Amino acid sequence: ILNVEQSPQSLHVQEGDSTNFTCSFPSSNFYALHWYRWETAKSPEALFVMTLNGDEKKKGRISATLNTKEGYSYLYIKGSQPEDSATYLCAFSTNAGKSTFGDGTTLTVKP
Amino acid sequence: GAGVSQSPRYKVAKRGQDVALRCDPISGHVSLFWYQQALGQGPEFLTYFQNEAQLDKSGLPSDRFFAERPEGSVSTLKIQRTQQEDSAVYLCASRDRLLSNSPLHFGNGTRLTVT
Repeated sequence: ILNVEQSPQSLHVQEGDSTNFTCSFPSSNFYALHWYRWETAKSPEALFVMTLNGDEKKKGRISATLNTKEGYSYLYIKGSQPEDSATYLCAFSTNAGKSTFGDGTTLTVKP
Repeated sequence: GAGVSQSPRYKVAKRGQDVALRCDPISGHVSLFWYQQALGQGPEFLTYFQNEAQLDKSGLPSDRFFAERPEGSVSTLKIQRTQQEDSAVYLCASRDRLLSNSPLHFGNGTRLTVT
């Protein structure tokens, strides 16, 4: 059984705060690590796919880093806005094709 | 373009009824995945297909669950003799390739409530 853990489970920040959360995954048989954003009443939307140790990805105010040797990835949001409120999911994949998801971090940004 | 479409959006079933959940993937996507998401948890893998071949069904919780994708496009997840513990959101996702270095594209899910 593959164990993917995300922390914290939930986070409340003020508009303008920067924040980050963690995804931990097995360090063996790594193939890819995905981050998704899931807003209420919508479908999960892909943010990043990361495959190489040391990868850093950026999309606007959101960025992510990857450490496959120690089995963790960080997601950073700079200057949080209310529209960033969502559940952020990470998913770990081996080369077998399927992805194993964590339980997510639910971010609430207060105006 | 059209994304992944799931129907129905909501389904209420009485315990013991059979249900069928439909997924229309993005056209041309070879891989199709079904996940089950309980409240407060992340999506749990159920099964996946490459074209019409079901490559892994290890996540199906019991033999009451059955999935098919006969022509390599639309997929149906069937649950027989539904139980209360089957209440969850069922997510379908597709991908343009089997290998997981490209993202999954999700539908809006079907929320199943078994009473």
